[in-house]
Amino acid sequence: DAGVIQSPRHEVTEMGQEVTLRCKPISGHDYLFWYRQTMMRGLELLIYFNNNVPIDDSGMPEDRFSAKMPNASFSTLKIQPSEPRDSAVYFCASSVNRGTDTQYFGPGTRLTVL
Amino acid sequence: KQEVTQIPAALSVPEGENLVLNCSFTDSAIYNLQWFRQDPGKGLTSLLLIQSSQREQTSGRLNASLDKSSGRSTLYIAASQPGDSATYLCAVNGEDNDMRFGAGTRLTVKP
Repeated sequence: DAGVIQSPRHEVTEMGQEVTLRCKPISGHDYLFWYRQTMMRGLELLIYFNNNVPIDDSGMPEDRFSAKMPNASFSTLKIQPSEPRDSAVYFCASSVNRGTDTQYFGPGTRLTVL
Repeated sequence: KQEVTQIPAALSVPEGENLVLNCSFTDSAIYNLQWFRQDPGKGLTSLLLIQSSQREQTSGRLNASLDKSSGRSTLYIAASQPGDSATYLCAVNGEDNDMRFGAGTRLTVKP
């Protein structure tokens, strides 16, 4: 298996623009997680899905952030409009189950909002 | 709200030395605890997963222990190598289904 795939790996955009991050989880994994990592706040869980259904989005910082999982092999995290404080590394991870299983992380997308 | 603390924030040791990384958490109601490794510019790689009913897990030169009642975990690395240089993150998976990460310990192993 290729592991969790994220695209793009790097994204540079200007304030106010829409940004879409993409993730393909490992096949057969029922859970998908979106995280954000910054120097100031460390690694934070934004939202997670179970069988394509959003379960907990309490970590999503603002209404500018939205996430979807239209099918078992694809998820997006969208920021509209983007702001400089959204600059961070965004990770996607997947696992077989929630409570007892290892999460497998993608390589991340480094987002810079100018 | 679960808080996860890792000490020290950074550690530098000579090659061959045995070392211990520490993780503490405030809420003992957990499913499991994981230790991850993160190389610069990369994602996280899971090293060891300890279920709440377990006391320790071992993989090669790595040994992780868990004392749930005291809210502590340690990661022991034997005979450290320069290739072990990375940031090590502790993550606690709570019974509220919320995974919280520590800030990490940045390890440098000098040849």
